[in-house]
Amino acid sequence: EAGVAQSPRYKIIEKRQSVAFWCNPISGHATLYWYQQILGQGPKLLIQFQNNGVVDDSQLPKDRFSAERLKGVDSTLKIQPAKLEDSAVYLCASSIDWGLSTDTQYFGPGTRLTVL
Amino acid sequence: RKEVEQDPGPFNVPEGATVAFNCTYSNSASQSFFWYRQDCRKEPKLLMSVYSSGNEDGRFTAQLNRASQYISLLIRDSKLSDSATYLCVVNVLRSRALTFGSGTRLQVQP
Repeated sequence: EAGVAQSPRYKIIEKRQSVAFWCNPISGHATLYWYQQILGQGPKLLIQFQNNGVVDDSQLPKDRFSAERLKGVDSTLKIQPAKLEDSAVYLCASSIDWGLSTDTQYFGPGTRLTVL
Repeated sequence: RKEVEQDPGPFNVPEGATVAFNCTYSNSASQSFFWYRQDCRKEPKLLMSVYSSGNEDGRFTAQLNRASQYISLLIRDSKLSDSATYLCVVNVLRSRALTFGSGTRLQVQP
């Protein structure tokens, strides 16, 4: 079974530029998550989708970050404009459903962003 | 106060040693508990869930103390391949995203 796909794997931009990350979850997984992992810290949730609806975006800096999952499958996370403190690994994860007994989230390899 | 707190380590242990990691969580409404493993520059992967009765998976034993809001992971007979960062994770509601600790780094030495 194919895992969670993310692209690009690495991105280097200058502050105030824009950047977008793409995620394709495991086929059939209804729930998709975007996490931000700063060096030396654990992942922190940015946004959670259930199909194409937002379940939780309380920790998403909405003045500069946006995300969508228009058809309930793949998703895009955008930063505009980027700040130095946005340098981190952006992890996408998916799980089969939020109402079933399984809680396992499967993570993609992440996109490592460096803002100069 | 952080929602999930862990000793960052590093824990440097010889092969064959037994090592224990501890974690505390602040939200008493937390319902699900996990240990994830993260190798350097890789994504986190589920190591094991943690149940109130305690559970074991080979060389790994996890314990949960709800009264003290405390989770532990014991690794017996450490292998070089166990070297990684171990993330303590809680979930307040089954349907919600995970809250991660900052991780404890383990280095097993030959």
